[in-house]
Amino acid sequence: QVQLQESGPGLVKPSGTLSLTCDVSAGSISSNNWWSWVRQPPGKGLEWIGEIHYSGSTNYNSSLKSRVSISVDQSKNQYSLTLRSVTAADTAVYYCAKNGHSCLQYWGQGTLVTVSS
Amino acid sequence: EIVLTQSPSTLSLSPGERATLSCRASQNIASTYMGWYQQKPGQAPRLLIYDASIRATGIPDRFSGTGSGTDFTLTISRLEPEDFAVYYCQHYVNSPPMYTFGQGTKLEIK
Repeated sequence: QVQLQESGPGLVKPSGTLSLTCDVSAGSISSNNWWSWVRQPPGKGLEWIGEIHYSGSTNYNSSLKSRVSISVDQSKNQYSLTLRSVTAADTAVYYCAKNGHSCLQYWGQGTLVTVSS
Repeated sequence: EIVLTQSPSTLSLSPGERATLSCRASQNIASTYMGWYQQKPGQAPRLLIYDASIRATGIPDRFSGTGSGTDFTLTISRLEPEDFAVYYCQHYVNSPPMYTFGQGTKLEIK
C-alpha cells in the first residue's frame, strides 16, 4: 500500500510561512487520486486543510483559503503545503493523506509544527 | 456548513463489552459520504469505515457502521484491549469539496 512521509521545519516564527512536503512511496502520485493535508492542534480534533490532484487542480478549506496553497511535483512523487502569515493558532501536527472514496484512506505519521518566536 | 456532533465525549467500558458511538449531523447527509477513524496516542488516524458501513482494508469485523439521514453509529461488538482510542466521524461534501470531522469520542478502559 502507498506510504506517505511528511517533512519540513518543526518551528516557524509568527507571521512567517509554514512549508511542508509529503513524499509518496509504494505508489505513484500521478495515479488518478487526490491528495490531502489535515492538521490537528495539540489535544484537539482534526481539520482538513485542502487537497490536490496530480494535474494540479486544488480545493481548499474556506477557513484557510486566503493563506494556503498546495502544489505537486510529479517528478519527485511528492506534494507540498504552504501556509502564510502563521500565528500560534497554526501550531499543530500536520498530516498528509491519500484520498479514498469520500474518505482519507492512508495517512502519513504526521509532523509537529510549532509557531513561536 | 454541516456540523457533526459525536456522543458521548468519553465512553468507559471493559474489554469484551459492546461499544456504541454516535455521530449526529446538523442536516441530512448522504450515507455514502460518512466515514469513521480510530486514533491512538501519538499516531495518525486510521480509516475504519467509509460509505457509512464499508470496512476499510484489514479492519476486523467486530467494527461495524450503520446509519442514514442525520444519525450514524459505529459499533464495536466485543472490545479488545487495542480498541481503546479516540474515534472520529467524518463527512465529505463534493460541491465544493470539503471534509468535516466530529469532535471525537474517547473510548477508555473502565
